[in-house]
Amino acid sequence: GAGVSQSPRYKVAKRGQDVALRCDPISGHVSLFWYQQALGQGPEFLTYFQNEAQLDKSGLPSDRFFAERPEGSVSTLKIQRTQQEDSAVYLCASSPLGNTDTQYFGPGTRLTVL
Amino acid sequence: KQEVTQIPAALSVPEGENLVLNCSFTDSAIYNLQWFRQDPGKGLTSLLLIQSSQREQTSGRLNASLDKSSGRSTLYIAASQPGDSATYLCFRGFQKLVFGTGTRLLVSP
Repeated sequence: GAGVSQSPRYKVAKRGQDVALRCDPISGHVSLFWYQQALGQGPEFLTYFQNEAQLDKSGLPSDRFFAERPEGSVSTLKIQRTQQEDSAVYLCASSPLGNTDTQYFGPGTRLTVL
Repeated sequence: KQEVTQIPAALSVPEGENLVLNCSFTDSAIYNLQWFRQDPGKGLTSLLLIQSSQREQTSGRLNASLDKSSGRSTLYIAASQPGDSATYLCFRGFQKLVFGTGTRLLVSP
């Protein structure tokens, strides 16, 4: 079956632009996670949804970052007024459970801010 | 900030060697511990999950152990193959979700 998909796969933005990154989880998966992975580093947790509820957003680095999952399926990570330090790969994962034991990861979106 | 350190950061070996990758946490209150592999341009794939009540898990040539008292986990890869070349990440998946810094493994034919 279809896995987790993310779009776009690559995004180049000029500093100050707003961007929106999309995640399509596996159908029926309850949980959805966003991570940020800088070059040469391990992924860092950003935020977590259970259905449409955002239960944890403690990892969002600033108020320029905003995530939503309005119908409990597709999620969008929005970054306003992008800065160079936002350049990273943004990974999305979904899980059929309300925990991280079984996460299925998408291929990621590579964001480059010039 | 929760620190998760993986040693070594990079490893290059000839095919056939047995390998040990290490993961340590500054906070020893570990619950579930997972090992993932990441291939370039692709997402992460789960390899092994050690539940809080377990001490180790095995899958094929892979064995992962967890010592909660010392805050350490070890991934053992037996008879390494070129297809094992990837970045290996440990992950703590409870309360604070934290990935390790990663070990980049290259296995040469």
